[in-house]
Amino acid sequence: EPEVTQTPSHQVTQMGQEVILRCVPISNHLYFYWYRQILGQKVEFLVSFYNNEISEKSEIFDDQFSVERPDGSNFTLKIRSTKLEDSAMYFCASSEVWNSPLHFGNGTRLTVT
Amino acid sequence: AQKVTQAQTEISVVEKEDVTLDCVYETRDTTYYLFWYKQPPSGELVFLIRRNSFDEQNEISGRYSWNFQKSTSSFNFTITASQVVDSAVYFCALSEAMIKAAGNKLTFGGGTRVLVKP
Repeated sequence: EPEVTQTPSHQVTQMGQEVILRCVPISNHLYFYWYRQILGQKVEFLVSFYNNEISEKSEIFDDQFSVERPDGSNFTLKIRSTKLEDSAMYFCASSEVWNSPLHFGNGTRLTVT
Repeated sequence: AQKVTQAQTEISVVEKEDVTLDCVYETRDTTYYLFWYKQPPSGELVFLIRRNSFDEQNEISGRYSWNFQKSTSSFNFTITASQVVDSAVYFCALSEAMIKAAGNKLTFGGGTRVLVKP
């Protein structure tokens, strides 16, 4: 069964550094998402992406965050200048159409020291 | 604003016992979708079920069953004859998804950790 793949599985970075989290959504899916889960807490929506542009974003998704689909397969989340509170598990997801279930990747655990 | 509440933070059962996970939601929309996801210790989020707001039929899939009651805004999940492999955190989620371009933006509950002991 097709799946969403995320790399790396774990990223450690120093405060103030830029990080790029990478995702390969399921190939025939049209909608892409980033969610995050701070350790032990609920999963929170960050951003949705459709037709090569951001369709919706949350309050968490401030100027430090950006997303890109640089080619036909990858979907990336960039954090420009990481803060300690950005430490979390970041999940990429995709859905086939607008109201179909989200399929999540295995997540990237980001640790900011 | 939409909200999902999972009042039970942790449930511990012995194998073969049934366990029911509660989920209560709030939304002002008449059209919405409800989901359950499983997060095993390995950390991934596994899709279990989606219901739309117009379909109140209960659903059974193997040992899993779901009870959707619009009158009480609840979408409860029962695992029958639990097994050790069912140990995980289970999340209920709500999507209003009224704007097509926004896709399925999910609001998650806080999750319920289920521990099944042998």
